[in-house]
Amino acid sequence: GEDVEQSLFLSVREGDSSVINCTYTDSSSTYLYWYKQEPGAGLQLLTYIFSNMDMKQDQRLTVLLNKKDKHLSLRIADTQTGDSAIYFCAEIGPGGSYIPTFGRGTSLIVHP
Amino acid sequence: DSGVTQTPKHLITATGQRVTLRCSPRSGDLSVYWYQQSLDQGLQFLIQYYNGEERAKGNILERFSAQQFPDLHSELNLSSLELGDSALYFCASSASPGQGGETQYFGPGTRLLVL
Repeated sequence: GEDVEQSLFLSVREGDSSVINCTYTDSSSTYLYWYKQEPGAGLQLLTYIFSNMDMKQDQRLTVLLNKKDKHLSLRIADTQTGDSAIYFCAEIGPGGSYIPTFGRGTSLIVHP
Repeated sequence: DSGVTQTPKHLITATGQRVTLRCSPRSGDLSVYWYQQSLDQGLQFLIQYYNGEERAKGNILERFSAQQFPDLHSELNLSSLELGDSALYFCASSASPGQGGETQYFGPGTRLLVL
C-alpha cells in the first residue's frame, strides 16, 4: 500500500530557513499536502500542490515536488518560534476513496 | 479557524462506557472523515461519510460506529471503551471528493481519556 515517510524531528535557529522533507511511494498521487499541528490543536492546512506542479510559493512557504524521486519538501523562510509545531505531509492518489495517507509528522523545534 | 466544529473538546470516562463525539462540517461540505490520533499509532483514518452515506472505512473497530445526518453533521459512537481508546479524535470535512474538492479541513479535535 501507499506509504509516506518523514523524519521525526528538526531543530533550527530562529531566523534560519527550515526544510522539512517527505517521501511517498504512490507514483500516481494527485494531491500532496502539508498540515501544521500546534500543541493541543487540530491539523491546519498550510498548503497543497497538484502533482503536475514542481513548485508552489506562498509567502514564507515554498513547496518543492520531485515526482521522479517521489520527494516533497516544505521550506519555511525566516523561521519563527511560532512555527514550532508538528508538520504532516499527506498524499491522495487517484483511487476512488480520496482518503489521504499521512506521514507520522515532523516536530519542528525553533530555538532562539 | 477551519470552519469545522467538534464537541465536546474534552471527555473523561471509565472503561466499559459509551460516548458520542459530534462534528459539524464546513458550510457546504458534503463529506466528513473521522480520524484517531495517538502517540504510538499516529493519525489513523477511521471512516468517511458522503452526503449521509458511508463512503470508505479504515481502521475502525467494531465497537465504534458513525453516522452522518441529513443536516450533514456527523457523530462517532465509541462503546465498551478500553484504556487504549484514549486518544485525540479528529473530524475533517471536504467539499466533493473526486470532483476537485478533495482537500480536507480539520476540526480542533476531541480529547478522550478513558480511566
